[in-house]
Order: sequence, then C-alpha cells, then structure tokens
Amino acid sequence: NAGVTQTPKFRVLKTGQSMTLLCAQDMNHEYMYWYRQDPGMGLRLIHYSVGEGTTAKGEVPDGYNVSRLKKQNFLLGLESAAPSQTSVYFCASSRLAGTYEQYFGPGTRLTVT
Amino acid sequence: GENVEQHPSTLSVQEGDSAVIKCTYSDSASNYFPWYKQELGKRPQLIIDIRSNVGEKKDQRIAVTLNKTAKHFSLHITETQPEDSAVYFCAASNGGGGFKTIFGAGTRLFVKA
Repeated sequence: NAGVTQTPKFRVLKTGQSMTLLCAQDMNHEYMYWYRQDPGMGLRLIHYSVGEGTTAKGEVPDGYNVSRLKKQNFLLGLESAAPSQTSVYFCASSRLAGTYEQYFGPGTRLTVT
Repeated sequence: GENVEQHPSTLSVQEGDSAVIKCTYSDSASNYFPWYKQELGKRPQLIIDIRSNVGEKKDQRIAVTLNKTAKHFSLHITETQPEDSAVYFCAASNGGGGFKTIFGAGTRLFVKA
C-alpha cells in the first residue's frame, strides 16, 4: 500500500514550457486535491476533484488545468510555465465520508526559470 | 474570500514547556478543523482534528479546543520534546459535496533541548 505518490519529485522548467504532474493513490479515495506551498503562505488549493470525471477550481486555479480520468489518478498541467509557479506542489486524497483526513503525497519541487 | 489566520508564525519553547498555536476562521459554515504537522522536507500529516459539535479533544500530549461562537480554535502541546519541532498548520473545512479546506499560513515551532 503506497498511499499517495507523485511524479516527478523535482523539475526545472524554462518560462513558457509545459509539463504534467501525476498523482496516484491506492486507497480508493473519492476526493483528490492539488495544493501549492510557498514560504509563509501555507497550503493553497489549486484544483480538486470529488470523483472520477469531475474537477473544480480551488483558491488559486489560474495557469493550471487538471484531469481525473481514472479514480486513482489526478493530473495537474501547466500549459505555459511562469516564474510565479515556482513552488512545491502537493497532491492529497481523502475518503468520501467517515473521516475528512487528507493524505498527502511527498511533493514535487518545481522551479521555473 | 474565506480565510484562516494563524498565530504566531514562529514559536520557540524550552523542552518540557507547553506550546499554544491559535487560529481564527471566517466561514461560519466550517464544521471540521484539522491540524497537520510538517517536518522539514516531508509531507504534511494529520495529528489531530475536531468537528464543530465538539468543544475539546485530547490525544496524549496534544489537545485542540474550539470556540464556534468566536470562530477560533487552538492547538495545545504539553511537555514539548525536540521531535515536536516542525511546522504546524491549522485548517478549516465545510465538508460536503463542495469539499474545500482552507489552511492557515503555518507556525514554525522550535523546541530547544
């Protein structure tokens, strides 16, 4: 049981390049989330999904797109990377009911030059 | 928009002393209040949570209190140990189908041996 995994762990992009971050969970969770973590700003929600095939905007969605084609995977895309998107990205998942605990992945450190 | 304010941003205590971190939230619909601990370079992990129908919850050396009228909640750590040194995040969530969690900016706790 790997929990929540993320790939890649590190990435350096040039301004304007695109990339996709992959999140996978093996806990059969309904909810999945993408956060970014910047110094002094905590965790800010980018997008989230309440089930396969559904996504919704979070607090800071601009410049990002997401897809949830399979229940276990949640992809975060950057179409044209900007230096302001330099951050650590965390994926998380949680159950539909019973407990709202979020299980986080190990994070992806992205630098945009 | 909705927000969660967390204080202090940095807290330094002597080993064995108590530490208190306070948070206030703005969304009156919030009904779930988790606390996450993030060690350096690691992922956030849930340490304790409380629901809106409970005023206090305790788990060994940590406790959380909630005042719904004042919209604030606090984390109390007693008999602090060096391994308690980490960043602590409070959060507020309204659960339900539009499930979103708003995190505080974090408190960096240093426990001096």
